[in-house]
Amino acid sequence: EPEVTQTPSHQVTQMGQEVILRCVPISNHLYFYWYRQILGQKVEFLVSFYNNEISEKSEIFDDQFSVERPDGSNFTLKIRSTKLEDSAMYFCASSEESRGGNEQFFGPGTRLTVL
Amino acid sequence: KQEVTQIPAALSVPEGENLVLNCSFTDSAIYNLQWFRQDPGKGLTSLLLIQSSQREQTSGRLNASLDKSSGRSTLYIAASQPGDSATYLCAVSPPNTDKLIFGTGTRLQVFP
Repeated sequence: EPEVTQTPSHQVTQMGQEVILRCVPISNHLYFYWYRQILGQKVEFLVSFYNNEISEKSEIFDDQFSVERPDGSNFTLKIRSTKLEDSAMYFCASSEESRGGNEQFFGPGTRLTVL
Repeated sequence: KQEVTQIPAALSVPEGENLVLNCSFTDSAIYNLQWFRQDPGKGLTSLLLIQSSQREQTSGRLNASLDKSSGRSTLYIAASQPGDSATYLCAVSPPNTDKLIFGTGTRLQVFP
């Protein structure tokens, strides 16, 4: 069964460093998403991406964050100058469509630890 | 602003029990509601998707119902097993937006 994959599973970085989290969405899906979950808190939406551009972003997704689809299969989240409060589980998701209630499928997550 | 709440926060039951997990949302204007399972330190596994026009969906021992007008959904798990132990999350999809809004989850433990 097709699934969303994410690498790495765990990333440790020093405060102020840049990190890139990688995702391979399900191959026939057109919409891609990033969510995060701070330990003990709700899963929160960060950004959605369609047709090579950001479709929607939350107030969390400020200039520190960027997303890219560098090739036909990967979808990345870059966090510039990481802060302690960026420590969280980051989930990538994909769906066939959006804004019509299509099911979102999530990857296993990348645990980011900022020291 | 849409808020999603799940009750109870935690539940511990013996194997074999039928159980109900509750999800409520403050704004009835939604496209759909999705139930997920999350194992400790792991990703989210989609269990069921209910479109706003539907009243319920079934998958194996799972049945999810949706009452949009009252802002409620329930996830019914029949004949619970220790392998059902996980955190169950519900999430709603508001109109004119791409995002899912998640609840805080119900942590379920089924003991033998």
